[in-house]
Amino acid sequence: DAGVIQSPRHEVTEMGQEVTLRCKPISGHNSLFWYRQTMMRGLELLIYFNNNVPIDDSGMPEDRFSAKMPNASFSTLKIQPSEPRDSAVYFCASSLGGRNIQYFGAGTRLSVL
Amino acid sequence: AQSVTQLDSQVPVFEEAPVELRCNYSSSVSVYLFWYVQYPNQGLQLLLKYLSGSTLVKSINGFEAEFNKSQTSFHLRKPSVHISDTAEYFCAVSDDFGNEKLTFGTGTRLTIIP
Repeated sequence: DAGVIQSPRHEVTEMGQEVTLRCKPISGHNSLFWYRQTMMRGLELLIYFNNNVPIDDSGMPEDRFSAKMPNASFSTLKIQPSEPRDSAVYFCASSLGGRNIQYFGAGTRLSVL
Repeated sequence: AQSVTQLDSQVPVFEEAPVELRCNYSSSVSVYLFWYVQYPNQGLQLLLKYLSGSTLVKSINGFEAEFNKSQTSFHLRKPSVHISDTAEYFCAVSDDFGNEKLTFGTGTRLTIIP
């Protein structure tokens, strides 16, 4: 199994640009999570989906952030427009749901200049 | 709402010495507890979890954690650490009402001194 796959691994962009982060969950998993990790705030849950439906998006910072899961094998997290304070490592994780283990991808390191 | 406190942001330990990483949680309902480990430039990996049953849970690489409901703690211990244990360790909590959301602590960076 290839695990959770995130792309790109690194993204450098300028303030105001649109950024799209991608995630492919483990096949057969029906829950998907997006996290953000920063030195100041630690690891925060942004949003999670179950069976492609957003269940809890209370962690999404503001309207500049949006997430979609058009099918069971793909999700995107979009930031438009990006700001320097969005610089962080963004992780995607997937699970079988319920109390099952969340498996994390390697993350996308985003730098907004 | 739940919260997790990891009081120690950094813990340096000599190789082969014992270590304890502290985790306390706050919740008004029953909880499930987890320890995740993050090696440099990698994602998080589950180390061990407490869902129910025995309050002492163990991992395959020698770590163990004990759920203490009265003290609302879930401290992580290892009797003898190795260089390969150098990593950041995160404690996390979720409630048992069907929400899969995990609330993480701020992490403890464990550094093993040769």
